[in-house]
Amino acid sequence: DVKVTQSSRYLVKRTGEKVFLECVQDMDHENMFWYRQDPGLGLRLIYFSYDVKMKEKGDIPEGYSVSREKKERFSLILESASTNQTSMYLCASSLRAGRRGEKLFFGSGTQLSVL
Amino acid sequence: GQNIDQPTEMTATEGAIVQINCTYQTSGFNGLFWYQQHAGEAPTFLSYNVLDGLEEKGRFSSFLSRSKGYSYLLLKELQMKDSASYLCAVYHGYSTLTFGKGTMLLVSP
Repeated sequence: DVKVTQSSRYLVKRTGEKVFLECVQDMDHENMFWYRQDPGLGLRLIYFSYDVKMKEKGDIPEGYSVSREKKERFSLILESASTNQTSMYLCASSLRAGRRGEKLFFGSGTQLSVL
Repeated sequence: GQNIDQPTEMTATEGAIVQINCTYQTSGFNGLFWYQQHAGEAPTFLSYNVLDGLEEKGRFSSFLSRSKGYSYLLLKELQMKDSASYLCAVYHGYSTLTFGKGTMLLVSP
């Protein structure tokens, strides 16, 4: 089975802090994604990457950046955390870029609280 | 832009059948996914439709009509463990999936 591992299940940070959320997948997937999930808003795509060092903006990239230095690892960075970034963050991966029907495999999520 | 609509909540009783609808308007269409998400857990894949028609997988079936921008997920012989959020998602563009807001299904005894 594909395993997508997020480094923290719960995280509490202060406003203005720089925050790193780490995600690792163990199945040599090309695509990796970061979503946030909020009640009443569903899952929204922040950034995705279809190759090492490649990144594409999703629907809500403002206030975030990403890094993909190795194929298996995709990091989400909050340069200066704000309270409106309190959310559940979900990392996902899929096998091939641009291929129909490639299902996403999700990590268990990181619940981030910014105080 | 992408617009995916599904009901916010549904309730049903154990043993019954429930149909969760999803309508979409997206720029591009490469298929539609249904995911199940239990509270506090990661979404897990249920089904994928890219052609019109019904796909059956055990107690779960999913239907797609591309001309109508419409899909439904049918759950039969409901069990308590089916209480979860059901996410409709449209695959469009280059490997990107846009999700609806999810339908919370509560199954009661």
